[in-house]
Amino acid sequence: GAVVSQHPSRVICKSGTSVKIECRSLDFQATTMFWYRQFPKKSLMLMATSNEGSKATYEQGVEKDKFLINHASLTLSTLTVTSAHPEDSSFYICSAGTALNYGYTFGSGTRLTVV
Amino acid sequence: GNSVTQMEGPVTLSEEAFLTINCTYTATGYPSLFWYVQYPGEGLQLLLKATKADDKGSNKGFEATYRKETTSFHLEKGSVQVSDSAVYFCALKDDGGTSYGKLTFGQGTILTVHP
Repeated sequence: GAVVSQHPSRVICKSGTSVKIECRSLDFQATTMFWYRQFPKKSLMLMATSNEGSKATYEQGVEKDKFLINHASLTLSTLTVTSAHPEDSSFYICSAGTALNYGYTFGSGTRLTVV
Repeated sequence: GNSVTQMEGPVTLSEEAFLTINCTYTATGYPSLFWYVQYPGEGLQLLLKATKADDKGSNKGFEATYRKETTSFHLEKGSVQVSDSAVYFCALKDDGGTSYGKLTFGQGTILTVHP
């Protein structure tokens, strides 16, 4: 079945630095990837939708200059949290889709802690 | 807009008990409905889905029926196991309009099963 690999699974960084999270579709070409943020004991909040080769579409209230999304190929999308602050600490999850499994396959998530 | 409402948790059951997690939705189009499961520290896994009214999704002993008349997609399992302890998310995917392809999640229900 479709597999999405997300890396790293955990990262701790200092306030003010940038962190990159990768999301790869291992056995299919993902035309669209979604990035979510999950707060403790809360549901998933869609941050943005990225389509290969074009700019990401951000949800209302999400800072596009802070959360940079790149979808340069059909198998890789990256989320970069720039100038991270403690309030950016969260669980970030990606999801990759194709015409067959649009939005179905999720990565295992990245726990970001900013100290 | 679209929305999903799940029953409040947490839910605590003894092994072999019957499980019901209620889910109702509001959608402008004709959504597909899903249940996802999230184990501690992991991403989401698709548990089951239904794409049209009266469809029944089933997997691993869990089942849910798409009820258009009551706009519901309640999750049930006849006999839960300790290994079913996780967070369960109800979600819908709107296949029309400006929300095409996006998943809208409920708030999640924490299930704990005791031996």
